[in-house]
Amino acid sequence: QKEVEQDPGPLSVPEGAIVSLNCTYSNSAFQYFMWYRQYSRKGPELLMYTYSSGNKEDGRFTAQVDKSSKYISLFIRDSQPSDSATYLCAMSPHNQAGTALIFGKGTTLSVSS
Amino acid sequence: DTGVSQDPRHKITKRGQNVTFRCDPISEHNRLYWYRQTLGQGPEFLTYFQNEAQLEKSRLLSDRFSAERPKGSFSTLEIQRTEQGDSAMYLCASTRATGTGSSPLHFGNGTRLTVT
Repeated sequence: QKEVEQDPGPLSVPEGAIVSLNCTYSNSAFQYFMWYRQYSRKGPELLMYTYSSGNKEDGRFTAQVDKSSKYISLFIRDSQPSDSATYLCAMSPHNQAGTALIFGKGTTLSVSS
Repeated sequence: DTGVSQDPRHKITKRGQNVTFRCDPISEHNRLYWYRQTLGQGPEFLTYFQNEAQLEKSRLLSDRFSAERPKGSFSTLEIQRTEQGDSAMYLCASTRATGTGSSPLHFGNGTRLTVT
């Protein structure tokens, strides 16, 4: 079992839909959780950064962390064609970033107008 | 903040040749990371620097790979005797780390390596 599991999709939705993206993990030491968006042929771009359990909202994006279930989610409201990208979850046991940062495989999202 | 810059964007080389990539991090960031991303996978950690010191290397980093950050600013990643399995996107990221933690990583747009 990989440390971080993420359904690669693809996920196709119409414009305006609510999108739910999810990751599960096995390492209970993970405390810092991130979502990155990656457009084709570009580097990952940080969307959300959360610590421990709970919700965090930023505009149309909401990140949820449920440490008891080892499950994190990213919700996108009123999805737009410009949201079409690959979404990567990432997590780490500490806030020293990089070395122990583990990424999921990414979920490819397509929003049609 | 001009972002993390990587050069070249795309490199095509023949098997057995050596290649070198460059990364310029965000200027105030003291940590620099190299990751590799293959198609359909998330980025995988290769190595990182704090200022000019290389502090950790992944076991993914074979002896054919070497990275430097000579003055604590830009970094280079060299692959010697390239193999077809080296074909991937090589991503550079940077962050500002203090004694209590670090900000999340900021990635460049990567160098896509194709080994023929």
